[in-house]
Amino acid sequence: GAGVSQSPSNKVTEKGKDVELRCDPISGHTALYWYRQSLGQGLEFLIYFQGNSAPDKSGLPSDRFSAERTGGSVSTLTIQRTQQEDSAVYLCASSLGSGGNNEQFFGPGTRLTVL
Amino acid sequence: AQSVAQPEDQVNVAEGNPLTVKCTYSVSGNPYLFWYVQYPNRGLQFLLKYITGDNLVKGSYGFEAEFNKSQTSFHLKKPSALVSDSALYFCAVRVLTGTASKLTFGTGTRLQVTL
Repeated sequence: GAGVSQSPSNKVTEKGKDVELRCDPISGHTALYWYRQSLGQGLEFLIYFQGNSAPDKSGLPSDRFSAERTGGSVSTLTIQRTQQEDSAVYLCASSLGSGGNNEQFFGPGTRLTVL
Repeated sequence: AQSVAQPEDQVNVAEGNPLTVKCTYSVSGNPYLFWYVQYPNRGLQFLLKYITGDNLVKGSYGFEAEFNKSQTSFHLKKPSALVSDSALYFCAVRVLTGTASKLTFGTGTRLQVTL
């Protein structure tokens, strides 16, 4: 069956430009998460959406980062005025619900390079 | 705050030998523990989880993990390693407190299985 998809798979941008990263979760999954994987840093939680509830934005590193989820499905992560330290792989995941026993299914990620 | 530690950056094992990838956690509350695997240029794949019940959890690809509450550990094991098991392994913990439904990941352990 279809898994979590992300686009683009790779994005190269210049410092100061804005970028948008897209995530299509598994159909029927109400919870959606964004993580960042930096070299040598492991995975860092960014933001979490559950149904129509207000998102948990506690992991966003600065106000240059924002995300939205339209219609409870597709999500877009936007990074404004990109900096070189934003270079990382951005991973999206979805799960059936936010319950602790629901494993998260990850997309292949978007590799962002800021020159 | 919850945290996960993976004390080994890399584990080397010969094919056919047993393998162990270590994980310890620190949480206030009952932990939900997960193992994920990441193959090169791929997203994370779910391996197994501990929610409650038997301390020995069996997962995909012949992997298993043992939950040890007194030692706050959740080590990943496999009786006989394969070269194809070579990948990056992440331990993660989730505690259901309020909106804290996000996973906290360890920094990852690279498993290298050689002939």
